[in-house]
Amino acid sequence: DADVTQTPRNRITKTGKRIMLECSQTKGHDRMYWYRQDPGLGLQLIYYSFDVKDINKGEISDGYSVSRQAQAKFSLSLESAIPNQTALYFCATSDPASGGRSDTQYFGPGTRLTVL
Amino acid sequence: DQQVKQNSPSLSVQEGRISILNCDYTNSMFDYFLWYKKYPAEGPTFLISISSIKDKNEDGRFTVFLNKSAKHLSLHIVPSQPGDSAVYFCAASSQTGANNLFFGTGTRLTVIP
Repeated sequence: DADVTQTPRNRITKTGKRIMLECSQTKGHDRMYWYRQDPGLGLQLIYYSFDVKDINKGEISDGYSVSRQAQAKFSLSLESAIPNQTALYFCATSDPASGGRSDTQYFGPGTRLTVL
Repeated sequence: DQQVKQNSPSLSVQEGRISILNCDYTNSMFDYFLWYKKYPAEGPTFLISISSIKDKNEDGRFTVFLNKSAKHLSLHIVPSQPGDSAVYFCAASSQTGANNLFFGTGTRLTVIP
């Protein structure tokens, strides 16, 4: 079983709709992240959470919100989707207690979102 | 403002030869660097990392070199194999930046059999 799972894997929606992308992990990591990737660009950080009570904005948080329902679950919402939010979305986790740098992040398979 | 740059969008190499992927960064506070590999329809997979206290780290066929004065790192793959064909992302972080990762735009490596 995959350590980091994302649902759905693909989603097509219309402008103005509310969309939720979900991420679950079995790695037992405290830190979770949401990124988006646009064609020809690197991954950009949307939001990150260091524990259930700690939510932080990343580089491109406008138009997005998140919810950390439990250590293992981190959801990303688009309150009113717009076409330029069409992208690949990745969830990731990391573990500051691993003994190494917490920067090493482990990614889910991604969700391809298309907003028409 | 792109703090991590991969100026080569693509690279083609013959099987068995060396692949060299390059990455430059601008933020002198970065002190930890990582390479990720990404296949289509999958998430990025951690490949290898290096701390700024080192200038080389090796793991099997993969070696990362860091030149702090030039703010440059490179990933060497020797020998290259067709299964290495993927997009490679360079990433960097600093302890002063909550250890968040900043990614380059990626280099697509194609290893020709």
